[in-house]
Amino acid sequence: QKEVEQDPGPLSVPEGAIVSLNCTYSNSAFQYFMWYRQYSRKGPELLMYTYSSGNKEDGRFTAQVDKSSKYISLFIRDSQPSDSATYLCAMSAGNYGQNFVFGPGTRLSVLP
Amino acid sequence: SQTIHQWPATLVQPVGSPLSLECTVEGTSNPNLYWYRQAAGRGLQLLFYSVGIGQISSEVPQNLSASRPQDRQFILSSKKLLLSDSGFYLCAWLREDRGLTEAFFGQGTRLTVV
Repeated sequence: QKEVEQDPGPLSVPEGAIVSLNCTYSNSAFQYFMWYRQYSRKGPELLMYTYSSGNKEDGRFTAQVDKSSKYISLFIRDSQPSDSATYLCAMSAGNYGQNFVFGPGTRLSVLP
Repeated sequence: SQTIHQWPATLVQPVGSPLSLECTVEGTSNPNLYWYRQAAGRGLQLLFYSVGIGQISSEVPQNLSASRPQDRQFILSSKKLLLSDSGFYLCAWLREDRGLTEAFFGQGTRLTVV
């Protein structure tokens, strides 16, 4: 079993749709959960992070963490063509380097 | 503010040729630096990390090596490239703030070995 799993997509939605992106993980030591957005031919950039379980909202984006199920989600409301990118989840046990793991990423296309 | 530079952006190299990718960081001292390779559907694979000058840790045995000749410089190299070395290579600086690890990435190098 991979440490972090994520549906690679591609996921195509019409403009204005609600998008749900998800990751599952196996390491119960993970405490910090992040979402990175990567535009084509660019490096990833941090979009949101949450600590432990719960929800966090930032504008059109909501991140959810369910540690009991080892499942995290990113919701995008009123999706825009500019949201078209690859979204990578990342997790950390709270220390550096090798315990900082990325999911494979989901490629999202928002069609105008 | 901190910035991370990586070059070249794209590179096409023949099999058996050498490789040198360079990464530099500005705006911070003694950064923890990382090289990742990103393959389609496989996410970011950690290749090397360095916590200081001359200190290199390898995560995956392979045809690549890394060096940290200066505090803010991290180099990824190969003596002889293989077809399987093709991919998107990313340099990153990881910063920890009260337990949260945040990664700042360079723009990446698209390497095609032909």
